[in-house]
Amino acid sequence: AAGVIQSPRHLIKEKRETATLKCYPIPRHDTVYWYQQGPGQDPQFLISFYEKMQSDKGSIPDRFSAQQFSDYHSELNMSSLELGDSALYFCASSSPQGLGYNEQFFGPGTRLTVL
Amino acid sequence: AQSVTQLDSHVSVSEGTPVLLRCNYSSSYSPSLFWYVQHPNKGLQLLLKYTSAATLVKGINGFEAEFKKSETSFHLTKPSAHMSDAAEYFCVVSRNTDKLIFGTGTRLQVFP
Repeated sequence: AAGVIQSPRHLIKEKRETATLKCYPIPRHDTVYWYQQGPGQDPQFLISFYEKMQSDKGSIPDRFSAQQFSDYHSELNMSSLELGDSALYFCASSSPQGLGYNEQFFGPGTRLTVL
Repeated sequence: AQSVTQLDSHVSVSEGTPVLLRCNYSSSYSPSLFWYVQHPNKGLQLLLKYTSAATLVKGINGFEAEFKKSETSFHLTKPSAHMSDAAEYFCVVSRNTDKLIFGTGTRLQVFP
């Protein structure tokens, strides 16, 4: 079965650079979530989208922005990168809402290293 | 507000012995509860989920968890640990399609 695809899997950037992370949800999933997991930390919710609209926002820095496109893939744009942005970034997707509980399926993550 | 507390940051067991990873939750409404496992440098894999159906939930790889409302607990158990069970385990709470709120994790070590 198709899973959530994230690209790139690894990314190395310098401080103050920008980075774009991409997430391709499972086909027919219309909701995408982004989570950040720092070294030795638990994943923290950043932002989510439902039907291309932002549905919830967590502890996402103002330097970060995200969007969901017409094909439901999502991109997380990160500017003015800081050392503390080094983390594993997970994307998850879920199936159409309104049908009760919807499980979130996680991608393999993108490991961002800021030097 | 929702939150989960994982009572042990590290648990060590011998192979073949039972595993108990403890989790307490706080929620102002009926929550959905999950256990996820993360092996080193890997993604998150769902072990099992509770969504207001049966209180005893069976998951993959022989794991199960029991939802106890009176104790606000959702402990993860396995009768016999395998070496391959060594990983980080996260207890997670959510409300339907809301964001997932993770606990701080429990690192399980399995000794031969």
